[in-house]
Amino acid sequence: QVQLVQSGAEVKKPGASVKVSCKVSGYTLTELSSHWVRQAPGKGLEWMGSFNAEDGETVYAQKFLGRLTVTADTSTDTAHMELSSLRSEDTAVYYCALAAGGTRWFSPWGQGALVTVSS
Amino acid sequence: QSALTQPRSVSGSPGQSVTISCTGTSSDVGGYNYVSWYQHHPGTAPKLMIYDVGKRPSGVPDRFFGSKSGNTASLTMSGLQAEDEADYYCCSYAGSYTWVFGGGTKVTVL
Repeated sequence: QVQLVQSGAEVKKPGASVKVSCKVSGYTLTELSSHWVRQAPGKGLEWMGSFNAEDGETVYAQKFLGRLTVTADTSTDTAHMELSSLRSEDTAVYYCALAAGGTRWFSPWGQGALVTVSS
Repeated sequence: QSALTQPRSVSGSPGQSVTISCTGTSSDVGGYNYVSWYQHHPGTAPKLMIYDVGKRPSGVPDRFFGSKSGNTASLTMSGLQAEDEADYYCCSYAGSYTWVFGGGTKVTVL
């Protein structure tokens, strides 16, 4: 059974960067793409970007271009998401999710990591 | 890229059926048969309920039914149960390896 365990909650000041990790167990990341989705308080889910471990390709949603970096370490089966130039609107729960090669849906998901941006 | 449009809330009594709509454009919902639906209980990991418009992962009851017509996808839950009370999100592939989610629908079991 594939499971994802994310790193813990973070509190950051505006302008700082945050890095969230997502450890995969029960499968190898080399055959999957890892996706990052966030949910701001009282808001819906928002797809941010993905890393395809098969070919090393990254894709980002337009609004995060220049601020978001998603990577994966296949030696440890851990995906990473780094968001820079944080502002208060980035306060959200950040989820990682997996997609098997060629599929267009996400399963499973991590438990989420709350990132709070506050001065 | 604009979020897909879902009703903010729907409700039904136990045993009844409810349907959640998810409206997009020809660039997402209407352009691909890659709509998925997720059940989300606050504080937990979202769970895949439907993929590729109308396919159910193993373990998801056949009370959950997905469909699509034009730019609108739908999730129908029949025989509503108390455990179905949650937030539901649609998601569509939008081309170029990008995705877009709906705003979410809160399902209340009366």
